[in-house]
Amino acid sequence: SQKIEQNSEALNIQEGKTATLTCNYTNYSPAYLQWYRQDPGRGPVFLLLIRENEKEKRKERLKVTFDTTLKQSLFHITASQPADSATYLCALDSSGGYNKLIFGAGTRLAVHP
Amino acid sequence: EAQVTQNPRYLITVTGKKLTVTCSQNMNHEYMSWYRQDPGLGLRQIYYSMNVEVTDKGDVPEGYKVSRKEKRNFPLILESPSPNQTSLYFCASSLSGGEGYQPQHFGDGTRLSIL
Repeated sequence: SQKIEQNSEALNIQEGKTATLTCNYTNYSPAYLQWYRQDPGRGPVFLLLIRENEKEKRKERLKVTFDTTLKQSLFHITASQPADSATYLCALDSSGGYNKLIFGAGTRLAVHP
Repeated sequence: EAQVTQNPRYLITVTGKKLTVTCSQNMNHEYMSWYRQDPGLGLRQIYYSMNVEVTDKGDVPEGYKVSRKEKRNFPLILESPSPNQTSLYFCASSLSGGEGYQPQHFGDGTRLSIL
């Protein structure tokens, strides 16, 4: 069956370190993958999109990689801050580019001062 | 301010009493969709709409109805709610659905409790 997996356990790191979150998928060949941030009581907020022909994408302190052979995306936050504490969701295209996204359950990140 | 607005934010109701959750976006987006979010399951798509008068089922459409009479509005209707529809619901919109490389803009959610 088709599956998208994110680490269900919370990730706890010290301020200033790099946080790395993992998104693994099976039985998909997505044209792109997106990452969202969700704060308690709020809707997800779009962060980054990476396409199947891109290995890496950066935006300020954020970096996303996409390995279609491993069927995995890694999401990195460098120089993490307590304000980065949130749940991070990955979502991949399951429809050949027609915006039908499949979301992972998310990983909660806690950055401690 | 560009936004997706859902109402109500919270609702407690009883089994069988019809309810409507409204969703409105002010970004002139063509594509709109509804998701439900349950612990450990992630966001699951209920219905989506590629444009006015064009709607289609997502992954979990049973027990829900939608309509898209105007571009900005996409209400979610529960004709006869049941306890298994207790969940957190999100409306989302994006510029278009045909070119899929579009970020989704989400509302802040509606927490429904069906007793």
